[in-house]
Amino acid sequence: GENVEQHPSTLSVQEGDSAVIKCTYSDSASNYFPWYKQELGKRPQLIIDIRSNVGEKKDQRIAVTLNKTAKHFSLHITETQPEDSAVYFCAARSGGSYIPTFGRGTSLIVHP
Amino acid sequence: DAGVIQSPRHEVTEMGQEVTLRCKPISGHNSLFWYRQTMMRGLELLIYFNNNVPIDDSGMPEDRFSAKMPNASFSTLKIQPSEPRDSAVYFCASSPRGSGWETQYFGPGTRLLVL
Repeated sequence: GENVEQHPSTLSVQEGDSAVIKCTYSDSASNYFPWYKQELGKRPQLIIDIRSNVGEKKDQRIAVTLNKTAKHFSLHITETQPEDSAVYFCAARSGGSYIPTFGRGTSLIVHP
Repeated sequence: DAGVIQSPRHEVTEMGQEVTLRCKPISGHNSLFWYRQTMMRGLELLIYFNNNVPIDDSGMPEDRFSAKMPNASFSTLKIQPSEPRDSAVYFCASSPRGSGWETQYFGPGTRLLVL
């Protein structure tokens, strides 16, 4: 089955800096990679996703890149703000499967 | 759309008691997932239903856990008997069926504490 590794487990940045979270996956057949943000005490919510037929996707201050050859994908947050503080989860799902495999999460702390 | 609805939001019970968690998926979604989240183990998939049929229950920890989906708008996760190590946040999520690119929509979760 799929195995997803996520790094770092904790990331602390100053407001205005950029933050990068990286994930690797094992199944070369995986073709859908969502990212979820979970604020303290709340549910995970999708913030951005990427399919295997593209290498990069942007949405305002967040972007995701995918390297299929190396089997890794990354979340980039620019101009971080205190409200970006949360736990971020990456996930990978194989084609034909409805079950994503989640990473262990990265706790992002943005200091004002 | 009200989103995924879970009840109760919080549950405190004593070891040995039966616990029933409830979920109403988003109308029209064909897939339903139950997850457990703890600090130690992260987000774990317990069971997945498609069109009300359990497809993958390999994540269910043991026989004390059972899940049902009697119709497209309701699912339950039952723990009997409950143990302190079952304390966690339990999320239900649903997704539509289509091309395979579907996003999962999570409910607010049930925070369970077993004393």
